[in-house]
Amino acid sequence: EVQLVESGGGLVKPGGSLRLSCAASGFTFSSYSMNWVRQAPGKGLEWVSSISSSSSYIYYADSVKGRFTISRDNAKNSLYLQMNSLRAEDTAVYYCARDFMPCSTSCPLGYWGQGTLVTVSS
Amino acid sequence: SYVLTQPPSVSVAPGKTARITCGGNNIGSKSVHWYQQKPGQAPVLVIYYDSDRPSGIPERFSGSNSGNTATLTISRVEAGDEADYYCQVWDSSSDHRVFGTGTKVTVL
Repeated sequence: EVQLVESGGGLVKPGGSLRLSCAASGFTFSSYSMNWVRQAPGKGLEWVSSISSSSSYIYYADSVKGRFTISRDNAKNSLYLQMNSLRAEDTAVYYCARDFMPCSTSCPLGYWGQGTLVTVSS
Repeated sequence: SYVLTQPPSVSVAPGKTARITCGGNNIGSKSVHWYQQKPGQAPVLVIYYDSDRPSGIPERFSGSNSGNTATLTISRVEAGDEADYYCQVWDSSSDHRVFGTGTKVTVL
């Protein structure tokens, strides 16, 4: 069974940093692209970043580019999101999501974690 | 940047058909995926590559995509279908994954 478990969320002051982790199990992690998607309270889904299976291709939403860094450790079956220079508008539940199948950038997101809440407030 | 527009809400009586649209410039040339999200839960993929259904998703869910509009159709709507629905594409011109604005489906 595919499992994705996020951790690392919490309360942080504006300008601060936080590192999210996503522990994956139940599949060959190194074969799939992975993604971060966030959802602000009461709002819709917003894609944050994607990373290919071997980390060769990395993409960011304009809203986080230059502040957030996605990475993965295939030996540890883990996905990360380093978030720097956090702003109030980064407050959201952050979901880790796996591509539905090994494929290109147009792949759907087939498996999601339960999310971790990041709150940016003074 | 590429924009996907959905109606904020759709209301439907049980047993009837709900149609949720997703508008985007020449969206028919892209692959569209649809997600269902119930309150307090993570999204679930219900339709991928315009019209394919993951295993476990009822046949009542179907999709189509042509021109400037993609559509998710839910036939014989049940109370359990009440949720938010999001369309999504990959915009190759910007290398961005794009989600639609979301539609809340209410079962009357």
